[in-house]
Amino acid sequence: EVQLLESGGGLVQPGGSLRLSCAASGFTFSSYAMSWVRQAPGKGLEWVSAISDGGGSTYYVDSVKGRFTISRDSFKNTLYLQMNSLRAEDTAVYYCAKDSYRAVAGGYFDLWGRGTLVTVSS
Amino acid sequence: DIQMTQSPSSLSASVGDRVTITCRASQGISTYLNWYQQKPGKAPKLLIYAASILQSGVPSRFSGSGSGTDFTLTISSLQPEDFATYYCQQSYSTLWTFGQGTPVEIK
Repeated sequence: EVQLLESGGGLVQPGGSLRLSCAASGFTFSSYAMSWVRQAPGKGLEWVSAISDGGGSTYYVDSVKGRFTISRDSFKNTLYLQMNSLRAEDTAVYYCAKDSYRAVAGGYFDLWGRGTLVTVSS
Repeated sequence: DIQMTQSPSSLSASVGDRVTITCRASQGISTYLNWYQQKPGKAPKLLIYAASILQSGVPSRFSGSGSGTDFTLTISSLQPEDFATYYCQQSYSTLWTFGQGTPVEIK
């Protein structure tokens, strides 16, 4: 079955760290760019970060630059998001999404995971 | 960054109505525009990509048009399962951005 399954969310204190994982199955993971998209409670969608098929190119929204790191392991078919120096405004459901292309440009998200909730609170 | 603005901000409609949602980009994005549907508690679902291409499995009552800065999503005859929030998204720039979303509610 073609699917993405996120894990690693939870409650963390401000300033803390968390690593999200996204396990891919049913497609050739190493052939597609991947992204993380988040949704704060009751709010809209916000693209957070993207990585090219081989991992050589990465991109971030300004609000997470220097705090979040996206990576991928093609042997494990898994996408990661390392989140450091977390803030209350990072509270959201985090979705991983498969791009339609290898490169991070001009595509669309044709497969989404169910999401994992990250709550940043003391 | 490219800003995406959807209108209306919300919409009430009845089953069978024709519904149109517009999306405006702050600069020209050619046809690098995608539409998603999201139901409460669920992940978004791709409806249309490249402004007008219907994703496989999506009913033909959905259609998209536009290029440059102005785009539209049309539902020709609203069905009960179409009540959801709709988002546009540009992929012209590697800093992808979404519109704020348009909830379609039952009148």
